[in-house]
Amino acid sequence: QVTLKESGPVLVKPTETLTLTCTVSGFSLSNARMGVSWIRQPSGKALEWLAHIFSNDEKSYNTSLKSRLTISKDTSKSQVVLTMTNMDPVDTATYFCARSLSGTYYAFDSWGQGTLVTVSS
Amino acid sequence: DIQMTQSPSSLSASVGDTVTITCRASQSISSYLNWYQQKPGKAPNLLIYAASSLQSGVPSRFSGSGSGTDFTLTITSLQPEDFATYYCQQSYTIPRTFGQGTKVEIK
Repeated sequence: QVTLKESGPVLVKPTETLTLTCTVSGFSLSNARMGVSWIRQPSGKALEWLAHIFSNDEKSYNTSLKSRLTISKDTSKSQVVLTMTNMDPVDTATYFCARSLSGTYYAFDSWGQGTLVTVSS
Repeated sequence: DIQMTQSPSSLSASVGDTVTITCRASQSISSYLNWYQQKPGKAPNLLIYAASSLQSGVPSRFSGSGSGTDFTLTITSLQPEDFATYYCQQSYTIPRTFGQGTKVEIK
């Protein structure tokens, strides 16, 4: 059974750095032709893709947030980590991690439950 | 970046109706178009990938069509559990982008 689970702080202060961890099970982060993305969603708003890491460690980022984001993975721990610097109240959102596979045209076929992050002083 | 535009933003329908949602890409994305259903407080759930392929476990009343820039999600015989928000998403290129969502409400 494939599962993804996000973890991290519930509350961060403005200007702080957010670190979120996605722990996966049921598949390996070294599997060929797959990857994991981070996606966020402010309350009542649309989904916004943030970053992706492929099994070969290739990384990609949201164009407008690129300077603030870093994605990495630890295959031995089955974890994908996202850091976002200089947090602002507009970054308050539920953050999801999701898996994509080449066999499904890199659609996001499995998602974590999401973790709500509030940015406030 | 490729912009994804969904229409309508919301719609009201009754159980048993057929509903159609459209998604337009700002440039050709071949068939790299995916549809998700999201219910309040839950993660999105993949319904359709590659424009028309039904994800395993998804009821056959959901179907997708299109290629290039214009795509459609159709729900035939709408069921009570189908009232939700639907998103399209392109996986043709990086950065991945989503539509703004279509909320399907009960009439």
